[in-house]
Amino acid sequence: DTGVSQNPRHKITKRGQNVTFRCDPISEHNRLYWYRQTLGQGPEFLTYFQNEAQLEKSRLLSDRFSAERPKGSFSTLEIQRTEQGDSAMYLCASSLTGGGNQPQHFGDGTRLSIL
Amino acid sequence: AQSVTQPDIHITVSEGASLELRCNYSYGATPYLFWYVQSPGQGLQLLLKYFSGDTLVQGIKGFEAEFKRSQSSFNLRKPSVHWSDAAEYFCAVVRGSGNTPLVFGKGTRLSVIA
Repeated sequence: DTGVSQNPRHKITKRGQNVTFRCDPISEHNRLYWYRQTLGQGPEFLTYFQNEAQLEKSRLLSDRFSAERPKGSFSTLEIQRTEQGDSAMYLCASSLTGGGNQPQHFGDGTRLSIL
Repeated sequence: AQSVTQPDIHITVSEGASLELRCNYSYGATPYLFWYVQSPGQGLQLLLKYFSGDTLVQGIKGFEAEFKRSQSSFNLRKPSVHWSDAAEYFCAVVRGSGNTPLVFGKGTRLSVIA
C-alpha cells in the first residue's frame, strides 16, 4: 500500500492559464474522489468516479472544472482559465467500493496559487 | 441534507491534559462518522470511524470517540495530549447510505502548549 499520490504538490500560475492535477489512487481502490479545501474550511466535495465512470459531477464549481479517469486508474482534474478564487488545496481520495464503511484515504493534495 | 458542525474553531490545551473535540451531525438515518487529522500542508489521515455497534470507538494515536445518537454527537477524546497532536481535526459524515462522498465540518485547530 503506497498510499494516494498527488502531483504536483504545488502549482503557481497566472490568472487565465489552464492547470491539470494528477491523482494516483491506492492500486486496488476503484472509487476515487476529488475535494477542494480553502483556508480555514473543511474539504468540499467536487466529483467522484467508480472505475472510469464519473458518478457525479454536479458539484464541480463551474464548467471550467473537469475531471476524468480514462482507464479506471489515475485521474486528472483540469481547471481552465483559472481565476483568483480557484486558489485552494485540491485533495484526492480513494476507497474500495462498498457501503459507507469503506474509509477514504487521502493524498497530500495539490496547492494551487493564482497570481 | 447532511451537515456537520464543529463548534470550536480553535482549542488550546496544555501538554498532558485531556482533550475533547466536539462534533454534531445532522442526518436522518444511522450515520457513518469519521474523524480525520490534518497537519499543515498535508492531506488528511483517518483517526477513527463509526458505523454501528459499540458506541465507543478506538482509533490511532490514542484517540477515541463516542457516538451519542440522542445528542447527534460524535466527540473525539484523548486522555493525555502530546505536543505532536497539534493539528487540524475534521469530523465527517458519509453523505448517503452507500460509499458516497464525505461531508466535512469546518474543523477545529488544536494548539498544544508546554
